[in-house]
Amino acid sequence: EPEVTQTPSHQVTQMGQEVILRCVPISNHLYFYWYRQILGQKVEFLVSFYNNEISEKSEIFDDQFSVERPDGSNFTLKIRSTKLEDSAMYFCASSDPTDQREKLFFGSGTQLSVL
Amino acid sequence: QKEVEQNSGPLSVPEGAIASLNCTYSDRVSQSFFWYRQYSGKSPELIMSIYSNGDKEDGRFTAQLNKASQYVSLLIRDSQPSDSATYLCAVNAFRGFKTIFGAGTRLFVKA
Repeated sequence: EPEVTQTPSHQVTQMGQEVILRCVPISNHLYFYWYRQILGQKVEFLVSFYNNEISEKSEIFDDQFSVERPDGSNFTLKIRSTKLEDSAMYFCASSDPTDQREKLFFGSGTQLSVL
Repeated sequence: QKEVEQNSGPLSVPEGAIASLNCTYSDRVSQSFFWYRQYSGKSPELIMSIYSNGDKEDGRFTAQLNKASQYVSLLIRDSQPSDSATYLCAVNAFRGFKTIFGAGTRLFVKA
């Protein structure tokens, strides 16, 4: 069964460093998303991406964050200068435009720890 | 601020019983409603979607939607220990790209 793949599964970084989280969405999906979940809290929307541009973003997604689809398969989230409060599980998701695009298929996540 | 509210639980039911999970949402323009299951340390997994008022059944799961009351529920029949997880209610506005999640209800099914 097709799945969303995320790498790395764990990332430890120092405060102020840049990190790039990587995702390979399901191949025929056209909508891509990043969500995050701080331990014990809600799954929070960060950004959605369609047709090579951001379609919607949340207040969390400030200038420190950026997304990119550098090629036909990868979708990345970059955090330019990490803060302690960026520590969370980051989930990539994708959806199929032919089957109710709101149905999200999540990757297994990247646990980001900022020290 | 658009919100999705759920009772955090834990909800504890014996094996074989019906588990009833509830959710309310604040944005009246919401059009799409979902239930995701999240095991501890894992990612959310879609189990049900519902778009129209009424009931929708899929196996042991029934989702119920009442847009007038801004209320969504999930019934799990013949609950199994493997159903023990956190159940996330999620809502999406018409033509929106943002799905908003509730904090989830933890369900324990006792063998």
